[in-house]
Amino acid sequence: SAVISQKPSRDICQRGTSLTIQCQVDSQVTMMFWYRQQPGQSLTLIATANQGSEATYESGFVIDKFPISRPNLTFSTLTVSNMSPEDSSIYLCSVEEVAREAFFGQGTRLTVV
Amino acid sequence: QKEVEQNSGPLSVPEGAIASLNCTYSDRGSQSFFWYRQYSGKSPELIMFIYSNGDKEDGRFTAQLNKASQYVSLLIRDSQPSDSATYLCAVGADSWGKLQFGAGTQVVVTP
Repeated sequence: SAVISQKPSRDICQRGTSLTIQCQVDSQVTMMFWYRQQPGQSLTLIATANQGSEATYESGFVIDKFPISRPNLTFSTLTVSNMSPEDSSIYLCSVEEVAREAFFGQGTRLTVV
Repeated sequence: QKEVEQNSGPLSVPEGAIASLNCTYSDRGSQSFFWYRQYSGKSPELIMFIYSNGDKEDGRFTAQLNKASQYVSLLIRDSQPSDSATYLCAVGADSWGKLQFGAGTQVVVTP
């Protein structure tokens, strides 16, 4: 399976600031996804990061709040903008393998104070 | 609204016994079904996937799928304390492989 490196692994941020999370994969992958896991909750898909085009956002998530870049087939970033305490979550990058299995990076634990 | 439902638990299982986890889903177009294990503070780890009706075995794990009943289950045989974790059921409906997750079932294996 692909090896997914995500950084930072954790951060504590002030409200009103922005944080960019990076996701690097050791092989070229077509599909990359960003998920959020709020405390005590399951995973919710934020968006699909498409190489060479705009990301596709799920209901309830907007580009102004979660801008995503996908400059090539091995890398993506997610920015959490104008943060509030409600954004405190684990953010996870995942990739789809050939058999459509999704594998996850180690996640970024974000705390907004 | 597509939904994936799981009992939240905790499911307490004696060491060496079989843990049985259940998951139901609402979207009849779902094509792929996954079980992830998540230890506290860690990211989800894929342990099983199944696409066709019936059983699929991998070591101590068996996944069972019944598309007519929209039901997928996971059996963990000879449960070990290291199996204590939250188990997430995930369902994929389209060719992009986007997954919808259940809330997870917490499993506690007691020595």
